[in-house]
Amino acid sequence: DQQVKQNSPSLSVQEGRISILNCDYTNSMFDYFLWYKKYPAEGPTFLISISSIKDKNEDGRFTVFLNKSAKHLSLHIVPSQPGDSAVYFCAAKGGTYKYIFGTGTRLKVLA
Amino acid sequence: DTGVSQDPRHKITKRGQNVTFRCDPISEHNRLYWYRQTLGQGPEFLTYFQNEAQLEKSRLLSDRFSAERPKGSFSTLEIQRTEQGDSAMYLCASSPGTGFDEQYFGPGTRLTVT
Repeated sequence: DQQVKQNSPSLSVQEGRISILNCDYTNSMFDYFLWYKKYPAEGPTFLISISSIKDKNEDGRFTVFLNKSAKHLSLHIVPSQPGDSAVYFCAAKGGTYKYIFGTGTRLKVLA
Repeated sequence: DTGVSQDPRHKITKRGQNVTFRCDPISEHNRLYWYRQTLGQGPEFLTYFQNEAQLEKSRLLSDRFSAERPKGSFSTLEIQRTEQGDSAMYLCASSPGTGFDEQYFGPGTRLTVT
């Protein structure tokens, strides 16, 4: 049972444009959500997070939006840069210690 | 702060052999996690330590797997009688242990069982 889903395995965006990565979850008990970026041969790197009491969190070029009624979150990267090319994972936590990760979306930013 | 380190980075072993991996978390991080990641999947939770206490263990962790965190510092993950299905990337993460705390991952240990 995949509680956190990233339905787009890959995404290509032109440099300078907006990248939008999506994530859906099924467990209404989740109260904290995170996005991680992963380069090849490295572990995931924390990018940005959001608590369920908020609907938006910004950090520089990165903004995460949370729609609790739709059980949906998205990561916006604007403007996209070639160095943003990586695999992006969303993760969720609620009530326990463990984080549940999605399957990832591979972002390719074209120069 | 040198980040989370893992050793070895790569391990090739024959089926039936035992392997042990080490994780050194960020100093003063109370929480330590082990994950397994296979191709095309996100990290899957294996186990969690709060200081030296192992507080949660996934159903994914069979009896062949054991993890320790003596003295609440580094941790080891041992796999006994390895099987080809154990081939994966094993990731370690640590977090400060306060509030909604973000996890910081190590580079992982890639295990190949032949």
